[in-house]
Amino acid sequence: GAGVSQTPSNKVTEKGKYVELRCDPISGHTALYWYRQSLGQGPEFLIYFQGTGAADDSGLPNDRFFAVRPEGSVSTLKIQRTERGDSAVYLCASSLSGGPSYEQYFGPGTRLTVT
Amino acid sequence: GQQLNQSPQSMFIQEGEDVSMNCTSSSIFNTWLWYKQDPGEGPVLLIALYKAGELTSNGRLTAQFGITRKDSFLNISASIPSDVGIYFCAGLSGTPLVFGKGTRLSVIA
Repeated sequence: GAGVSQTPSNKVTEKGKYVELRCDPISGHTALYWYRQSLGQGPEFLIYFQGTGAADDSGLPNDRFFAVRPEGSVSTLKIQRTERGDSAVYLCASSLSGGPSYEQYFGPGTRLTVT
Repeated sequence: GQQLNQSPQSMFIQEGEDVSMNCTSSSIFNTWLWYKQDPGEGPVLLIALYKAGELTSNGRLTAQFGITRKDSFLNISASIPSDVGIYFCAGLSGTPLVFGKGTRLSVIA
């Protein structure tokens, strides 16, 4: 079966621009997670969806970051007025549920470079 | 906030050797997960541990959930070149999942 897919794989944008990153979770997975990974670091939690709603957005660094999952499957992470410090790999993961089954499966990530 | 300390940060071993790495925290976790990440890829789940004291194997990999619930270790037996990569531990106590900084493993043939 298909795993988690993310598009684009690479995105280069200029400082101040708006970007959207897309995640397609594993079919049937109700929970979806966004992480950010900087060089030499582990993934850092951003936001978690259970179904269509954001169950925990405590990891979003500021109000320039926003994510949606309108139909409970595909999710889009949106970054406004990008800054050079936003450059990182953005990872998406999904799991069968947000309950006891916490085995999260990751996509390959989108490498964002802000110039 | 919760932090995980992984050690060692990096290691170079000869092919065929056994490998041991660990993860410690000052916080209690209910679940420990071990992931491997190759360059340009997302982390791949290796082993999940759900109970204190649990010892779980996946092929040449063995991981244990510490009885204090504050630590976990991962062993790799008879290492092979494809074991090269970065190994991350991750702990869960509710959400979100907290990751360590990783152990970079290099295998010398």
